[in-house]
Amino acid sequence: GENVEQHPSTLSVQEGDSAVIKCTYSDSASNYFPWYKQELGKRPQLIIDIRSNVGEKKDQRIAVTLNKTAKHFSLHITETQPEDSAVYFCAASIPVNKFYFGSGTKLNVKP
Amino acid sequence: NAGVTQTPKFRVLKTGQSMTLLCAQDMNHEYMYWYRQDPGMGLRLIHYSVGEGTTAKGEVPDGYNVSRLKKQNFLLGLESAAPSQTSVYFCASSFLDRDPRNQPQHFGDGTRLSIL
Repeated sequence: GENVEQHPSTLSVQEGDSAVIKCTYSDSASNYFPWYKQELGKRPQLIIDIRSNVGEKKDQRIAVTLNKTAKHFSLHITETQPEDSAVYFCAASIPVNKFYFGSGTKLNVKP
Repeated sequence: NAGVTQTPKFRVLKTGQSMTLLCAQDMNHEYMYWYRQDPGMGLRLIHYSVGEGTTAKGEVPDGYNVSRLKKQNFLLGLESAAPSQTSVYFCASSFLDRDPRNQPQHFGDGTRLSIL
């Protein structure tokens, strides 16, 4: 089955700096890559996603890039704010709708 | 719309007891999933369902059973609870498009289960 690896496990940045979280996947059949944000004690919430026919997608301060050849994708958060502090999960999905998650990155944005 | 609703939110069991976790969604989604979340291990798929009356095993199915008798409900059962099943359980659902590309999942609030 698919194997998704996520790095780093923890990330601490100063408010206003950028944060980058990286994931790799193993199954070339994966064609959908969502990113979730999970605040303490809450449900994972979708923040951005990308499909395999697209190389980059941006939504305000967050962006995701995908390199299908290298089988890796990354989440970029610019101008970080304290409310960005949370655990972020990447996932890869093989058809149809079968998801595999990374182990998560705890992002701490220091004021 | 309530989205995905899980009951109960918390539960403490003794080893060997049985219980059922209920997941209900009101979005008419075809796909439903049960995950467990343990510290440092992300979300691991237990079982999933691609439609009413169908279920399939995920990555960590041992010790769990599921049923999907109605499209809107997906039940997760623990027949004989073990301490290793202490975890936070999340239910999720997703839509099946006419063009069957992958669609995002919508999660419930989770059930915290402790087994003593």
